[in-house]
Amino acid sequence: KNEVEQSPQNLTAQEGEFITINCSYSVGISALHWLQQHPGGGIVSLFMLSSGKKKHGRLIATINIQEKHSSLHITASHPRDSAVYICAVRSGGTGNQFYFGTGTSLTVIP
Amino acid sequence: ETGVTQSPTHLIKTRGQQVTLRCSSQSGHNTVSWYQQALGQGPQFIFQYYREEKNGRGNFPPRFSGLQFPNYSSELNVNALELDDSALYLCASSAGLAGSEQYFGPGTRLTVT
Repeated sequence: KNEVEQSPQNLTAQEGEFITINCSYSVGISALHWLQQHPGGGIVSLFMLSSGKKKHGRLIATINIQEKHSSLHITASHPRDSAVYICAVRSGGTGNQFYFGTGTSLTVIP
Repeated sequence: ETGVTQSPTHLIKTRGQQVTLRCSSQSGHNTVSWYQQALGQGPQFIFQYYREEKNGRGNFPPRFSGLQFPNYSSELNVNALELDDSALYLCASSAGLAGSEQYFGPGTRLTVT
């Protein structure tokens, strides 16, 4: 079983729809990251969370430490949001390990 | 302020050969992490360097080794290449350890034939 599980694996949405991507993890963490990867490989860090909620433009990320769960929401989705979204966690303590989900492939149709 | 850069962009090697990949961290960053991303998979953590010292390692064999230089740039070396080493290798830099956001480079696409 992976330390980080994402759902769904694939998601197709109509432009304008509200999108939610979920991430569950099984290890103690010091931080959780949401990353965006476009075709060709470039990765952009969207959020780093250790508690609560963060918002950047149309993107919102939340984390519930007790439930070991995080969600990434995209409001008013747009075709340019089409990408793979990856959840990654940095383990707590001195181990300093990073664990990644396998990603959610999002396609937003005009 | 320059971002994270990696070289080369693409590389083709033969099984059994050795390869060195390079990463220049973002200005002001002293921490570099390396990741391997196989096709269709999420990245896997290889190791991290903080101020020239290794600060964590994932489940990769010893033929994956690294180095960080005084200017905080870094190298990833892979010996005795195997076909399964074919992947996108990403590095990310950050300004410190816990609580620091990572900035990713564009990656090096390694193909082992």
